[in-house]
Amino acid sequence: GAVVSQHPSWVICKSGTSVKIECRSLDFQATTMFWYRQFPKQSLMLMATSNEGSKATYEQGVEKDKFLINHASLTLSTLTVTSAHPEDSSFYICSASPPTNYGYTFGSGTRLTVV
Amino acid sequence: AQSVTQLDSHVSVSEGTPVLLRCNYSSSYSPSLFWYVQHPNKGLQLLLKYTSAATLVKGINGFEAEFKKSETSFHLTKPSAHMSDAAEYFCVVSPPGGGGGNKLTFGTGTQLKVEL
Repeated sequence: GAVVSQHPSWVICKSGTSVKIECRSLDFQATTMFWYRQFPKQSLMLMATSNEGSKATYEQGVEKDKFLINHASLTLSTLTVTSAHPEDSSFYICSASPPTNYGYTFGSGTRLTVV
Repeated sequence: AQSVTQLDSHVSVSEGTPVLLRCNYSSSYSPSLFWYVQHPNKGLQLLLKYTSAATLVKGINGFEAEFKKSETSFHLTKPSAHMSDAAEYFCVVSPPGGGGGNKLTFGTGTQLKVEL
């Protein structure tokens, strides 16, 4: 079945540093991937749509310069949290839709803690 | 435009009793609908999906859901709860087709607790 791999599963970083999260589609090509943020005991909030070979589309209120998205190949999208601060601590999840199947496959998520 | 409402933020059942998680949707077109389950600190796993075929959809782990257009509902049910079913459940709506670059709209989630 379609698998989306997300790494790392958890990361702790110091304030002011940058963190990169990778999202890979392992057995299918994804021209579009999605990045979500989830606060404790809340639903998923779409941050941006990652488009292969072009700029990402950000949702209203999401800082483009804070959350850099790169989708350089059909199987890899990365989210870089730049100059991280404690308020950026959250659970980040990516997803993609296999072309031969309806629905979306989600990565296992990344727990980011900024100290 | 599309939206989804999960009517209960928490549901508690005893092991072996039926589960009902309620979901209502709003859409200006005929949507695709999904139920996902999330265990703590994990990603989301697809339970089942409705994409304009049969209105009664059977999913994994004994779950099923019925698409009722007249009631704009897509409630999730299971005849007999198991302890391993305890998790967060999300009802999700997307435009027709349910894949590709279509954006998903998530409900606020229902926390299912299963007691002995």
